[in-house]
Amino acid sequence: LAKTTQPISMDSYEGQEVNITCSHNNIATNDYITWYQQFPSQGPRFIIQGYKTKVTNEVASLFIPADRKSSTLSLPRVSLSDTAVYYCLVGDPSGNNDMRFGAGTRLTVKP
Amino acid sequence: DVKVTQSSRYLVKRTGEKVFLECVQDMDHENMFWYRQDPGLGLRLIYFSYDVKMKEKGDIPEGYSVSREKKERFSLILESASTNQTSMYLCASSLPGSGHTDTQYFGPGTRLTVL
Repeated sequence: LAKTTQPISMDSYEGQEVNITCSHNNIATNDYITWYQQFPSQGPRFIIQGYKTKVTNEVASLFIPADRKSSTLSLPRVSLSDTAVYYCLVGDPSGNNDMRFGAGTRLTVKP
Repeated sequence: DVKVTQSSRYLVKRTGEKVFLECVQDMDHENMFWYRQDPGLGLRLIYFSYDVKMKEKGDIPEGYSVSREKKERFSLILESASTNQTSMYLCASSLPGSGHTDTQYFGPGTRLTVL
């Protein structure tokens, strides 16, 4: 199982761009990188997934360098409602169920 | 929208009791999962199931068992509850091989307290 390392916590202010980096040095060829978001008292929800280069959706962008040993989740212009725990997962999404959640990064957005 | 429901939001049990946590999904997903979440430890996988009557141990299966008699329902069983099983329990489901995502959809969680 590919192991991931993320910062335990981050603070930001409303309107700023937030970048959360995840390290995954032993990522395998078939592995994808997936990010989830969890608000208090709720289960995690899928935000974004990518394999290489850049992926963007209405919520976030995901930047993956050529060596794929790390990835960065970018949240543009955060608001107080983006305060949550963000999880980076690495694994083969074809159904092998080898993706694992770590401890995540607790993002606190301040006014 | 996918809906994953869990039988209780809060549950209080006594040490030694047998505890059943139920999870139901309405999207005909083949994969279902049980996690527990503790402060500072993130989500840890207890068991998962590929299909009806199929089950696989996750990373922390000790003290737990599961049952999947119907595709939409996945039950987590604590045979003899202990205080160290006090935790938030989260159920999830996914459709394997659905494009590249294999997105997991989570229920709201059950906060179990064992006294």
